Amino acid sequence: AQTVTQSQPEMSVQEAETVTLSCTYDTSESDYYLFWYKQPPSRQMILVIRQEAYKQQNATENRFSVNFQKAAKSFSLKISDSQLGDAAMYFCAYVRRQGGSEKLVFGKGTKLTVNP
Amino acid sequence: SAVISQKPSRDICQRGTSLTIQCQVDSQVTMMFWYRQQPGQSLTLIATANQGSEATYESGFVIDKFPISRPNLTFSTLTVSNMSPEDSSIYLCSVVASRSQETQYFGPGTRLLVL
Repeated sequence: AQTVTQSQPEMSVQEAETVTLSCTYDTSESDYYLFWYKQPPSRQMILVIRQEAYKQQNATENRFSVNFQKAAKSFSLKISDSQLGDAAMYFCAYVRRQGGSEKLVFGKGTKLTVNP
Repeated sequence: SAVISQKPSRDICQRGTSLTIQCQVDSQVTMMFWYRQQPGQSLTLIATANQGSEATYESGFVIDKFPISRPNLTFSTLTVSNMSPEDSSIYLCSVVASRSQETQYFGPGTRLLVL
């Protein structure tokens, strides 16, 4: 079975600084997607960034970028120029490519605090 | 991405009662899912809501406790039946708009407290 591990229950960063959240996963599949979701206190799950396993290029979305190491099964999220609004729970998630019919497998989450 | 709404946004219920949560999408989607997030925990899939047929439940979840309907491609309901305090959680629906993308987008969630 696929598993996703986030080894940092909590992280903190100073405003305007950079922080990296770690995620590792275990799968025997070769074709899959990886995601980072953000869950602020409002509890809405917000998609931050998406990576397709067959793409070697790391995904970027404005201040958010990933370091995808397929052989090492590692998928870390880097947040640059951290803002107070970035404070939230961050969940790493995996899904096997199956035409959208598969469930997401989530890590336990990392709580990010941004200090002014 | 699709715009997803859930009703109610929160509720406080007495044990032994049932609550039906609605999930409405502003466009037709291929897949709809229901997740549960217990306090301080990650998300766990309850079931896949299948249009026009019975939902597909994950291990540990049964239809009698969590009946699900999906009458069309934009709407689904989840009922939490015979509630106990252990059912206090956030319930979220998610949708896949495009099979090629595999991306799930989430509704705002329903926060349920059972007394």
